[in-house]
Amino acid sequence: QQQVKQSPQSLIVQKGGISIINCAYENTAFDYFPWYQQFPGKGPALLIAIRPDVSEKKEGRFTISFNKSAKQFSLHIMDSQPGDSATYFCAASITSGTYKYIFGTGTRLKVLA
Amino acid sequence: NAGVMQNPRHLVRRRGQEARLRCSPMKGHSHVYWYRQLPEEGLKFMVYLQKENIIDESGMPKERFSAEFPKEGPSILRIQQVVRGDSAAYFCASSPTRGQGLNTGELFFGEGSRLTVL
Repeated sequence: QQQVKQSPQSLIVQKGGISIINCAYENTAFDYFPWYQQFPGKGPALLIAIRPDVSEKKEGRFTISFNKSAKQFSLHIMDSQPGDSATYFCAASITSGTYKYIFGTGTRLKVLA
Repeated sequence: NAGVMQNPRHLVRRRGQEARLRCSPMKGHSHVYWYRQLPEEGLKFMVYLQKENIIDESGMPKERFSAEFPKEGPSILRIQQVVRGDSAAYFCASSPTRGQGLNTGELFFGEGSRLTVL
């Protein structure tokens, strides 16, 4: 019940295309859903996050879509650029508890120039 | 640099030796989390600490691993008698004190310490 399932494991997109990464969770107590971006040899950095009281959040080219009833959320990267090539992790946490994140297994995105 | 500071960035140990990884949280943060990332895998929660207290160590292996966050100084993750399977990147993250200011729930990660066991 503490798992967060992420797909696909890897993704190749042409420059200018849309990258879509999906995550699903079981524990309905989760109330904070961040996406982190990690470049090789670096630590994860927060990209965008959403709480379950909204269905969508957009920041620049990055959008989270959230489906509470399906217990699913996804990251959309519009107009994907080669600089977006990185590993993306979704996560979930319970902010009334310890805040610890349960991470998905990651998606390696490669954007072709 | 006001970010989460981890050292050493790279550490090589032979089997049976001890590894000590250090983490200084962001200024004003009193909560520290340790995560382990195996090659080509996601981040696995290990332990959550506040100053002088271990709050959640449900992800920590029962043997050889320990963590502390003393009143003064950095948080330390200690691995005794390392084995090859301990080779991984260990990330520390910190977050602000609860209920103060704009606590968004965000965890701020360091650059990681990469442990290689020969």
